[in-house]
Amino acid sequence: QSVLTQPPSASGTPGQRVTISCSGSRSNLGSNTVHWYQQLPGTAPKLLIYTNNQRPSGVPDRFSGSKSGTSASLAISGLQSDDEADYYCAAWDDSLNGWVFGGGTKLAVL
Amino acid sequence: QLQLQESGSGLVKPSQTLSLTCAVSGDSISSGGYSWSWIRQPPGKGLVWIGYIYPSGSTDYNPSLKSRVTLSVDTSKNQFSLKLTSVTAADTAVYYCARGRRPYEIDYWGQGTLVTVSS
Repeated sequence: QSVLTQPPSASGTPGQRVTISCSGSRSNLGSNTVHWYQQLPGTAPKLLIYTNNQRPSGVPDRFSGSKSGTSASLAISGLQSDDEADYYCAAWDDSLNGWVFGGGTKLAVL
Repeated sequence: QLQLQESGSGLVKPSQTLSLTCAVSGDSISSGGYSWSWIRQPPGKGLVWIGYIYPSGSTDYNPSLKSRVTLSVDTSKNQFSLKLTSVTAADTAVYYCARGRRPYEIDYWGQGTLVTVSS
């Protein structure tokens, strides 16, 4: 049981826009920023979005993030086959004094 | 470019101790005020933060694992380590080492190493 809640799956067709939600509580998303990771099969997670809506160098602007209260979302526009991966949200939790993650959302590009 | 590389035993017997080391290259483990974490991912499941350590040796652990976890750091070798005692099959997972900036993001991850608990 993950601390942050994500839908287990999402899907879209090439070129479409998809969103993935992440829900938390006051001690994590309600107090701290959200980050998103992309995990391709057999690889380590890669930082995709940090501090709610910032993209690390090299991440296309097709990826965007937002947060409001204890909820956050990741949007992917112009969906590509290469975007098939697991996506995780994460945040610092003030009660745990550590990081918490969502259970992950498997994105399929149909 | 910062790089992290996990090493250690890939197979551990039940009730024994899992030991892993993370070698950091590309920058000093002591620079920048970062914390250094271990995170695990059971097969087919999500990510779980295990704990972090600062170069000073200050640590914090996930309460669910705290009684069995010890993190240590060797700044002279630019590496940090994980020990998990009394392992069971439930500890089978890919273990990642990572750099974080509390209370913000974890930005760099090692490639991960699979540890299987089996007799």
